[in-house]
Amino acid sequence: SQKIEQNSEALNIQEGKTATLTCNYTNYSPAYLQWYRQDPGRGPVFLLLIRENEKEKRKERLKVTFDTTLKQSLFHITASQPADSATYLCALEGDMRFGAGTRLTVKP
Amino acid sequence: GAVVSQHPSRVICKSGTSVKIECRSLDFQATTMFWYRQFPKQSLMLMATSNEGSKATYEQGVEKDKFLINHASLTLSTLTVTSAHPEDSSFYICSARPGQGGTGELFFGEGSRLTVL
Repeated sequence: SQKIEQNSEALNIQEGKTATLTCNYTNYSPAYLQWYRQDPGRGPVFLLLIRENEKEKRKERLKVTFDTTLKQSLFHITASQPADSATYLCALEGDMRFGAGTRLTVKP
Repeated sequence: GAVVSQHPSRVICKSGTSVKIECRSLDFQATTMFWYRQFPKQSLMLMATSNEGSKATYEQGVEKDKFLINHASLTLSTLTVTSAHPEDSSFYICSARPGQGGTGELFFGEGSRLTVL
């Protein structure tokens, strides 16, 4: 069965730096991949969707890459701010199953 | 964007009682809604897929008699935790996707925190 791995449970970085989160998957070739943000005690919020034919996608300070050869997506937040602190989740295609998430903490 | 509303946001109940959680899509119709459970500092775990007008599809290990799902209309799905016990205490979240296709972003409710005493 398909499997998603977000290989960093937690990531701590300094304000202003670029945060890079990783999502790896196995046993599947998704047509697209999605990233969500979840704050404590809240439901996830959609951030970006990237298709298999798109190498990179950007939205303001966010950038997502999709490498179908490596079966990996990278999620970047540039010029990070404390307000970016949250858990970030990835999901394959329209699958309702999510990776374990990476808890990002941006320190002032 | 689309809005999904959950009610109640918090509920405390005694062991042995049943609790109903509602999930509504406010500005779109959803033939399918999804129910998740999330324990502290853990990821979302898909419990079941709620299908309008038909039976829900449960994930492996989720007791369908324990977690009753009803999707009576295109904008409302309910999750009833029957004979709740302290181990059922968790954060329950629903989501929905506009339209009938299986693609695109999911819109989530704000979640319902259940505490069983």
